[in-house]
Amino acid sequence: DGGITQSPKYLFRKEGQNVTLSCEQNLNHDAMYWYRQDPGQGLRLIYYSQIVNDFQKGDIAEGYSVSREKKESFPLTVTSAQKNPTAFYLCASTPEGAGQNIQYFGAGTRLSVL
Amino acid sequence: AQTVTQSQPEMSVQEAETVTLSCTYDTSESDYYLFWYKQPPSRQMILVIRQEAYKQQNATENRFSVNFQKAAKSFSLKISDSQLGDAAMYFCAYQVWTPLVFGKGTRLSVIA
Repeated sequence: DGGITQSPKYLFRKEGQNVTLSCEQNLNHDAMYWYRQDPGQGLRLIYYSQIVNDFQKGDIAEGYSVSREKKESFPLTVTSAQKNPTAFYLCASTPEGAGQNIQYFGAGTRLSVL
Repeated sequence: AQTVTQSQPEMSVQEAETVTLSCTYDTSESDYYLFWYKQPPSRQMILVIRQEAYKQQNATENRFSVNFQKAAKSFSLKISDSQLGDAAMYFCAYQVWTPLVFGKGTRLSVIA
């Protein structure tokens, strides 16, 4: 089945530690996105990538980093510079063509600080 | 910058009744897309309905329909014959050439 797979489902971070959230898609989508969701805040864009080896900062990129070495993969690293990382993280992707603007989402990763 | 406002943090509806969720947005563009996404307790985001701004006709998907008022920059979602499975967070979103801009959401409860 085609889709977007995020792993792990739950992740715990210690103080000063970097952690990486995985996002893989087999939909052959060109663009991929990372959002952060906090209670009462909706979804806020962290980073997005429209093509391999290229990505742009979103509204809240500080303390995060990404890479896009393969079309299928767009991992997000939450660095120690992100002082309030506890949130729900959603990955999404967008196809080319007529359905270009419809974003498809993964099931999310819940990150908590120990 | 484009903004999306959902003025109702929480709403409730009786099963089988109709409810309307409000959304307004701010833009200077003439062509854009508007979306309603549903997030049930599983937290999986699901596309409910999509509207292209250049189309006058309001989009409809089964029990879900929108009232798109371009001049007023309003994009409300009507859910008819509400079902228990409709209970979720509902997010309005806007897009032109950039990634989606989301509102803060409306939590819908369905009362049996």
